[in-house]
Amino acid sequence: GAVVSQHPSRVICKSGTSVKIECRSLDFQATTMFWYRQFPKQSLMLMATSNEGSKATYEQGVEKDKFLINHASLTLSTLTVTSAHPEDSSFYICSAWDRTQETQYFGPGTRLLVL
Amino acid sequence: GNSVTQMEGPVTLSEEAFLTINCTYTATGYPSLFWYVQYPGEGLQLLLKATKADDKGSNKGFEATYRKETTSFHLEKGSVQVSDSAVYFCALRLPGGYQKVTFGIGTKLQVIP
Repeated sequence: GAVVSQHPSRVICKSGTSVKIECRSLDFQATTMFWYRQFPKQSLMLMATSNEGSKATYEQGVEKDKFLINHASLTLSTLTVTSAHPEDSSFYICSAWDRTQETQYFGPGTRLLVL
Repeated sequence: GNSVTQMEGPVTLSEEAFLTINCTYTATGYPSLFWYVQYPGEGLQLLLKATKADDKGSNKGFEATYRKETTSFHLEKGSVQVSDSAVYFCALRLPGGYQKVTFGIGTKLQVIP
């Protein structure tokens, strides 16, 4: 099946710093990618929809100035957590829509810990 | 709006037992239905899918049939293994280029030897 990668898989940072997470579709082009956040023992919460070449669409309650999304190419979307705080610690998962397969494929996730 | 309801669990079974995880949905349209699996510490993997009524998705011994009349997509496996221990998410997506996937809450399955 299609592969979506995320980098880094795990990151620890100090409070106040910014962290960038990359999401790549490795063998298909993805005009649409999604960013999710998952809290322990809970389902995925959609944060935003990332569209190649245009601004991301954020879900209600998600701060767009804090979670910057860039979808610069058909295979790469990035999420930058700006001025991270301990409450931003979470598991962030991206996914990419493969329109030829009509399936959404997920990355392995990035675990962020803010100290 | 669209929603997916599934049993929260946890579900604990002995190895080789029969598994059923119920999933029902509400959608304004004709969605595609999915089951995803998440192993500890990992992202989600697509397990199986069905795109229209009466379709049966299957993979790795798991099956689910798209039942439009009961708006259900129950996941079944005849004989579970310890390696099947994971969280299983039922999900739907309406057709269209920018449609979001709506997830259920996830059901944790624990298989004991």
